[in-house]
Amino acid sequence: NAGVMQNPRHLVRRRGQEARLRCSPMKGHSHVYWYRQLPEEGLKFMVYLQKENIIDESGMPKERFSAEFPKEGPSILRIQQVVRGDSAAYFCASSRDRGIAYTFGSGTRLTVV
Amino acid sequence: DQQVKQNSPSLSVQEGRISILNCDYTNSMFDYFLWYKKYPAEGPTFLISISSIKDKNEDGRFTVFLNKSAKHLSLHIVPSQPGDSAVYFCAADRGANNLFFGTGTRLTVIP
Repeated sequence: NAGVMQNPRHLVRRRGQEARLRCSPMKGHSHVYWYRQLPEEGLKFMVYLQKENIIDESGMPKERFSAEFPKEGPSILRIQQVVRGDSAAYFCASSRDRGIAYTFGSGTRLTVV
Repeated sequence: DQQVKQNSPSLSVQEGRISILNCDYTNSMFDYFLWYKKYPAEGPTFLISISSIKDKNEDGRFTVFLNKSAKHLSLHIVPSQPGDSAVYFCAADRGANNLFFGTGTRLTVIP
């Protein structure tokens, strides 16, 4: 019974490149949440998705960031033209029903050089 | 706008003693509160929660206290064990789609 799987665990990108972060929710979970933790800060909500739908993206930066959760396959958080300030730990969580009984993945640590 | 605040970035406690981690919030719409524990290179794991209709919830060595009038909650760990050393995050929910997290308190339990 695998938990929430995130890959890669570590990702290094040069400024201007694209970063793709993947999240496979727990089996039976159809709700996915992405959070970002900047250095010395708490986790900040980015986006909430269900299969094929973005439900709430109120925490997503307006430019360069996008997320999807297709019918088949993992949820993807995509950051275009990365900048140094995008360096952070990105955590995905999933739940069976809408709500806060999340299970978090181990995160992807993005470093922009 | 940090709506959930953990003003102590770190705390050191002797093994066997009580650890008290504090959390303050500003939004009176929050009605559910959670504590998460996080080890390095891992995601946060749920520890204990409390609804705003209660003022105390206990689970083994862990107790969370909620003071709604003061907009304050605390996590008590007793007795503290070295394996409790981790970063503890307080989080709050207002019935929306997301949790609001504090900045965390790093607990070190000294053997």
